[in-house]
Amino acid sequence: EIVLTQSPATLSLSPGERATLSCRASQSVSSYLAWYQQKPGQAPRLLIYDASNRATGIPARFSGSGPGTDFTLTISSLEPEDFAVYYCQQRSSFGQGTRLEIK
Amino acid sequence: QLQLQESGSGLVKPSQTLSLTCAVSGGSISSGGYSWSWIRQPPGKGLEWIGYIYHSGSTYYNPSLKSRVTISVDRSKNQFSLKLSSVTAADTAVYYCARERQLRYFDLWGRGTLVTVSS
Repeated sequence: EIVLTQSPATLSLSPGERATLSCRASQSVSSYLAWYQQKPGQAPRLLIYDASNRATGIPARFSGSGPGTDFTLTISSLEPEDFAVYYCQQRSSFGQGTRLEIK
Repeated sequence: QLQLQESGSGLVKPSQTLSLTCAVSGGSISSGGYSWSWIRQPPGKGLEWIGYIYHSGSTYYNPSLKSRVTISVDRSKNQFSLKLSSVTAADTAVYYCARERQLRYFDLWGRGTLVTVSS
């Protein structure tokens, strides 16, 4: 089973700043990695699939990179609604999440 | 627009069986290229994949839960179900149903339902 390790656990930034979230896989997963955003009391929402493809309706400020074992989710300029928990996923494995909080 | 909605008992006694159903509306559960999954999230914790049923009917379960999990589909009702036996307090979680596209990513989620295991 592939293990996904996300860093940092918590990221404190201000609106307008750039956010960089990382996800490392225990072995190569090619480009088959997805990112999700979860807000309190809500289900996760798909942001990025296949490492770099934005899901339908996702703003262009969200971007993803890969492939291989090291993946990055970048939010170019944080909006107030972007503060949430972010998870990476590959098949049956999820990362432990990165909490993006307002500084 | 396809939607998923979980339903079932919100309170289950220890050692009993948790039963949930996910109703699919706005589309067919028999569409090719998709699998239908259950994922759970204990309060304040991360996401744990439970298992899926493929459009063909084949199933695959998380090895850590495999001995207790059954996922089935009722095509006539356009829904799929989860049964988790011998539950303990550790099974207390929000349970989500989700559609997985080509075994790569979960593009559609239900709202989730909280199941509490308590006597």
